[in-house]
Amino acid sequence: DTGVSQDPRHKITKRGQNVTFRCDPISEHNRLYWYRQTLGQGPEFLTYFQNEAQLEKSRLLSDRFSAERPKGSFSTLEIQRTEQGDSAMYLCASTPGTAGTEAFFGQGTRLTVV
Amino acid sequence: TQLLEQSPQFLSIQEGENLTVYCNSSSVFSSLQWYRQEPGEGPVLLVTVVTGGEVKKLKRLTFQFGDARKDSSLHITAAQTGDTGLYLCAGDGDSNYQLIWGAGTKLIIKP
Repeated sequence: DTGVSQDPRHKITKRGQNVTFRCDPISEHNRLYWYRQTLGQGPEFLTYFQNEAQLEKSRLLSDRFSAERPKGSFSTLEIQRTEQGDSAMYLCASTPGTAGTEAFFGQGTRLTVV
Repeated sequence: TQLLEQSPQFLSIQEGENLTVYCNSSSVFSSLQWYRQEPGEGPVLLVTVVTGGEVKKLKRLTFQFGDARKDSSLHITAAQTGDTGLYLCAGDGDSNYQLIWGAGTKLIIKP
């Protein structure tokens, strides 16, 4: 396993369109996180899965955002009716789910809404 | 609410100089992690500090966890252009799964 992978790396979409991103975590990691990051800021927590269960979702997260991890392996993040304010880097991370919380990140998906 | 404040927000120095960046909080953390992020990439874990007063070295980088486990510092000796990046600290939150993130220090090392 070469690490966490995200697809696509870049996405440009028109305002109002729906977009979906995919994350493949490290295979033995049962915890998966989605973060959003804007320029000059640290990652902002969006949601968290333990295996296939979505255990936490940020209260700041609009209902336009939804995430799934159907078989406890890969995950998808969908944004419906995109807005310009959704433009950001979307990062996926996985952790082993043991006492350590060290996060292994993918390279991110850069979303630009025009 | 647990918060981590990083300072300075931005630092630009010449190659060969030394520097220290800080990660501070009023809350106690069971551990703190430091990450480096390059433009267009995800953060990469550098080190985890767990014990109050702990010092860890990674080549020219020295990480220290405060005695009270509320703060941490990163010292770079003889900075190189390859050290350029965004340095983020993150701490174990009150919940058992979420990391609390600082906003980062953007470091530029000029040749």
